[in-house]
Amino acid sequence: GAVVSQHPSWVICKSGTSVKIECRSLDFQATTMFWYRQFPKQSLMLMATSNEGSKATYEQGVEKDKFLINHASLTLSTLTVTSAHPEDSSFYICSARVIGTGDTGELFFGEGSRLTVL
Amino acid sequence: GQNIDQPTEMTATEGAIVQINCTYQTSGFNGLFWYQQHAGEAPTFLSYNVLDGLEEKGRFSSFLSRSKGYSYLLLKELQMKDSASYLCAVLDSNYQLIWGAGTKLIIKP
Repeated sequence: GAVVSQHPSWVICKSGTSVKIECRSLDFQATTMFWYRQFPKQSLMLMATSNEGSKATYEQGVEKDKFLINHASLTLSTLTVTSAHPEDSSFYICSARVIGTGDTGELFFGEGSRLTVL
Repeated sequence: GQNIDQPTEMTATEGAIVQINCTYQTSGFNGLFWYQQHAGEAPTFLSYNVLDGLEEKGRFSSFLSRSKGYSYLLLKELQMKDSASYLCAVLDSNYQLIWGAGTKLIIKP
């Protein structure tokens, strides 16, 4: 299957700093990438849908000025958590949709990034 | 290494019952999730098991055996709208979600 790579897997930062998480589709092009957040023992929560070349669509309750999403190319989307606070500590996961010949609309997920804000 | 195994594809008939199996080998265990994903859409949460046994939720049931590293998702009275991919994922000791590749379920009339 298609490969989606997320970086970094782990990040620890001080409160008030900004953290950038990258999501890359390694062997396919992705017009759409999804960003999720997951707290311990809870299900994935969709944060936003990232579309290449346009503004991201955020889910209700997700602050777009705090969680900046940039999808500058067909293989890269970034999520920047600005002025992070301890309550932002969570597991962030991205997924990407395959496009092109034989597009089945399937989504492939990155490994996830665990953010801890001290 | 950590590993989640589930069948790549399954086919079933409308109105029937289907069982999708998932076996896992992870560093620690803090629960197992099943998600449903329709083509082009984000996955939706189906179930979460952390204790052994069967959890029933309408037409869907999920079973877990921690000693065997095994789970299954049981779908009853299949409907055409159940055609989707079903993702098994395990939360390991670091609360990192380890995902299976998903099982594509095809429902035929």
